[in-house]
Amino acid sequence: QKEVEQDPGPLSVPEGAIVSLNCTYSNSAFQYFMWYRQYSRKGPELLMYTYSSGNKEDGRFTAQVDKSSKYISLFIRDSQPSDSATYLCAMSAGNQFYFGTGTSLTVIP
Amino acid sequence: DGGITQSPKYLFRKEGQNVTLSCEQNLNHDAMYWYRQDPGQGLRLIYYSQIVNDFQKGDIAEGYSVSREKKESFPLTVTSAQKNPTAFYLCATRRLATYTQYFGPGTRLTVL
Repeated sequence: QKEVEQDPGPLSVPEGAIVSLNCTYSNSAFQYFMWYRQYSRKGPELLMYTYSSGNKEDGRFTAQVDKSSKYISLFIRDSQPSDSATYLCAMSAGNQFYFGTGTSLTVIP
Repeated sequence: DGGITQSPKYLFRKEGQNVTLSCEQNLNHDAMYWYRQDPGQGLRLIYYSQIVNDFQKGDIAEGYSVSREKKESFPLTVTSAQKNPTAFYLCATRRLATYTQYFGPGTRLTVL
């Protein structure tokens, strides 16, 4: 079983839609949860960082962690064409990090 | 990208050759990491280093080597022993006692 599972998509939505991206994980020791955005042929860019359970909001982005279900989510409100990218979830319990395979998102104008 | 630079952006190698990928950072971060990214497989850890002159193998270290002689630099050598080296290579850094990584722009290596 992979440490982190993420639906690869692709996901295609109209501009202005609410997007929900999700990851599940198996290691209950994970305490730190991150979401990265990666444009084609570029390095990942850190979007959100959350410690333990709960919600965190930053502009149009909301990260949610449910440790009891081992489930994390990223919500994007009022999606824009510039949000079209691959979104990677990542998590850590210490010095090493574990990544999902990424979900490809296209926002159609 | 912030203060992390990777060079070159594109690299072509003939089979049997060793090549070295550069990663430099001016963020004063202690830890540095090398990942390999292949389509549909996500990021896989090759090596990481938390302090100068010390590094640990990741999940796929075979066929790769690293050095950490300076805090700012963590070069990765892809040796001829790496059976399938064509991939996108990403360097990342982290300040110790924090749990977020920051990535460089990547190097795309193609073996001809």
